[in-house]
Amino acid sequence: AQSVAQPEDQVNVAEGNPLTVKCTYSVSGNPYLFWYVQYPNRGLQFLLKYITGDNLVKGSYGFEAEFNKSQTSFHLKKPSALVSDSALYFCAVRDMGDDKIIFGKGTRLHILP
Amino acid sequence: DAGVIQSPRHEVTEMGQEVTLRCKPISGHNSLFWYRQTMMRGLELLIYFNNNVPIDDSGMPEDRFSAKMPNASFSTLKIQPSEPRDSAVYFCASGTDTQYFGPGTRLTVL
Repeated sequence: AQSVAQPEDQVNVAEGNPLTVKCTYSVSGNPYLFWYVQYPNRGLQFLLKYITGDNLVKGSYGFEAEFNKSQTSFHLKKPSALVSDSALYFCAVRDMGDDKIIFGKGTRLHILP
Repeated sequence: DAGVIQSPRHEVTEMGQEVTLRCKPISGHNSLFWYRQTMMRGLELLIYFNNNVPIDDSGMPEDRFSAKMPNASFSTLKIQPSEPRDSAVYFCASGTDTQYFGPGTRLTVL
């Protein structure tokens, strides 16, 4: 069965500093991995995905994520945080050949001015 | 494309009433998903359709919940009768390998 873990409920980062939001996953086959962001009173917004190829994936708003097969991780990163990055971030995994995406419980990111 | 469209955006109803939530997926997307989000339980998949056929409804909490997809451009999620514990934000999403979410319907059952 697929699963995804986001070990931190909340991450606080000072504006301008690099940020990392952690995610680990478990699938039986080859994973499709996703990051979504949710701003208050909005739906989830797709940020980036890994399907195959380069382990470093670049997405919207300057975010990137690194796929690490040996550590089964897919951490979200940004070199320099903005206050506007404050939101709820979801990691998600899908097993190739399956339609369902399994979402983590979310990590709330606070960027402090 | 306007993205996934959901209506209504907000619904306030009284316990025992029937509630119908509506979703128009992005044109060309074969799969449609209904989710529920609450503070306590997070984001839960209720049911999903592929080519208008329900594939997995194991997340539907009980028989009071039902969902239909009569055609490729429309789906409904119905709760009858509604209860206060059904209060949540309900999201519809469509897509193939990537899901795109609608803005959600905030349901409050008094």
